Amino acid sequence: DADVTQTPRNRITKTGKRIMLECSQTKGHDRMYWYRQDPGLGLQLIYYSFDVKDINKGEISDGYSVSRQAQAKFSLSLESAIPNQTALYFCATSPAERTGTNEQFFGPGTRLTVL
Amino acid sequence: DAKTTQPTSMDCAEGRAANLPCNHSTISGNEYVYWYRQIHSQGPQYIIHGLKNNETNEMASLIITEDRKSSTLILPHATLRDTAVYYCIVRAIDNNDMRFGAGTRLTVKP
Repeated sequence: DADVTQTPRNRITKTGKRIMLECSQTKGHDRMYWYRQDPGLGLQLIYYSFDVKDINKGEISDGYSVSRQAQAKFSLSLESAIPNQTALYFCATSPAERTGTNEQFFGPGTRLTVL
Repeated sequence: DAKTTQPTSMDCAEGRAANLPCNHSTISGNEYVYWYRQIHSQGPQYIIHGLKNNETNEMASLIITEDRKSSTLILPHATLRDTAVYYCIVRAIDNNDMRFGAGTRLTVKP
């Protein structure tokens, strides 16, 4: 979905390096999410945010941090990357309404390799 | 902890209906059944969701059993582009913690 963009799309880095993945959305949604996906498995929630400056931990937040400085942007940081953080990372957004579908809209993903 | 159980893989002939089952025997009264699909490492795409009534949209139909312990996603006329991993997810509508299992890998064959 072109309304949710992620940069970079691919990144190779070394163990111990600090990495930041960026997510931007033009959907005007309040809620944003970061997931990781390991090969052959489903997505796991890392962090999510309901609004600017709001941060909530997901299933697997250890080793990650996030920043939500603006409604349209949600960044994910790996302070000191390790090889088992090699994965496909997805950003998603959803509207704040409590009725309706509450579906999530996903970005194209960032493939991160930590050597 | 998995809240849903799906077959690992299924095949379907092009043009035929694809019926993807999902078991969710521990579903709570306020939890909906959502279906997403993921085509070849792209971001997942929402398909449909329902509470207890059967639902239909332009992509698919969702049939939920009366006891709500299982459901079936139906793609009425599968095409090659429907080849994907299909995820059945159970969650309350205001719960943003969406738990993806391994899903069902559907392969549509010519």
